[in-house]
Amino acid sequence: LAKTTQPISMDSYEGQEVNITCSHNNIATNDYITWYQQFPSQGPRFIIQGYKTKVTNEVASLFIPADRKSSTLSLPRVSLSDTAVYYCLVVGSYGQNFVFGPGTRLSVLP
Amino acid sequence: DTGVSQNPRHKITKRGQNVTFRCDPISEHNRLYWYRQTLGQGPEFLTYFQNEAQLEKSRLLSDRFSAERPKGSFSTLEIQRTEQGDSAMYLCASSLSAGIIQETQYFGPGTRLLVL
Repeated sequence: LAKTTQPISMDSYEGQEVNITCSHNNIATNDYITWYQQFPSQGPRFIIQGYKTKVTNEVASLFIPADRKSSTLSLPRVSLSDTAVYYCLVVGSYGQNFVFGPGTRLSVLP
Repeated sequence: DTGVSQNPRHKITKRGQNVTFRCDPISEHNRLYWYRQTLGQGPEFLTYFQNEAQLEKSRLLSDRFSAERPKGSFSTLEIQRTEQGDSAMYLCASSLSAGIIQETQYFGPGTRLLVL
């Protein structure tokens, strides 16, 4: 399973765009990149998933360069409620089990 | 609410006691996963089922842990002779596996266990 590396913590202010970058140098051809968000005392919540280039949904955008060795989660105009831990995972297409790292703890300040 | 549900949400027990947690996955999801999460860490995989078959178990799952999914629907996770080190949040997730289509795991709210 591909390992991921992401910053342990980040601070931002309300209304700013936040970009969290994840490195996954050993990503395999069939692997997808998936991001989860977790609030205290809750289970992780799926945010976005992608294979290459750019994916956008109502919550976030995911940018994946051509070599796929990294990815960037972009949260537009964050609010205080976006304060959470964000996990980057690389997941195979055949039900490989999810391997979570420690995640990135995002703190949004007023 | 059609999400993943877990019961109980909190459990306090004394060392040496047995505890059992229940997970009800999203209807028609054929895969069910159990994870454990300690403070400040990401979830750690314990085991998963495809329908009623338990297909993989982590080395973290000692002999005191057992999981079942008897009819391919809900699942139970039992911990026998609990130890203080078992204190953690136990998370359940489910997904719909459809061949090569990438699956997404949906997590429940977790059961927080405290062993005194």
